[in-house]
Amino acid sequence: DAGITQSPRHKVTETGTPVTLRCHQTENHRYMYWYRQDPGHGLRLIHYSYGVKDTDKGEVSDGYSVSRSKTEDFLLTLESATSSQTSVYFCAISETSGELFFGEGSRLTVL
Amino acid sequence: GNSVTQMEGPVTLSEEAFLTINCTYTATGYPSLFWYVQYPGEGLQLLLKATKADDKGSNKGFEATYRKETTSFHLEKGSVQVSDSAVYFCALSDEGSGYSTLTFGKGTMLLVSP
Repeated sequence: DAGITQSPRHKVTETGTPVTLRCHQTENHRYMYWYRQDPGHGLRLIHYSYGVKDTDKGEVSDGYSVSRSKTEDFLLTLESATSSQTSVYFCAISETSGELFFGEGSRLTVL
Repeated sequence: GNSVTQMEGPVTLSEEAFLTINCTYTATGYPSLFWYVQYPGEGLQLLLKATKADDKGSNKGFEATYRKETTSFHLEKGSVQVSDSAVYFCALSDEGSGYSTLTFGKGTMLLVSP
């Protein structure tokens, strides 16, 4: 299994609070991604990174920011969480085109 | 933009039945196509892929053929098992600037009963 660790795995928070999800990899893969999974929507890309300090927006980036200061870590931050951001968040990594390896997911509930 | 359309589930089958999950896509250029599988409580994992027209991807008894003329990549298996119960996602790659992101379909849940 690819060495991808997401933390926390579960979090409950209140509307308006900041939240940071962490993705840590031990594979030294160049590309890292954050997706959210919601019923009826499948997986949607939030942000991705193609190198240290190199990031770009996906299709649902509003309300989210990311940072990648080291190859192995990719942080997803919700500056002020809203109920619409209740979801399961998946980190993924890749080295070659298209073959993504996924973490086990982080379930976030915003009350 | 690019998009992937999958048949809605759940698909309910008895063990040893034949499986087809339809997937069609809209894309510019020549994307690669993928099937990912998600078992309960887990992240997605790559099941199979095809990188050009007429390629057939296969793994664990599953197959899918890249049909450019019909823009389809249907997943098939000749005899499903209870352990195949999962959610299956069709996806295509968005090539650009030397790296790629994936566009996923909404997923199709498969339930196999003994």
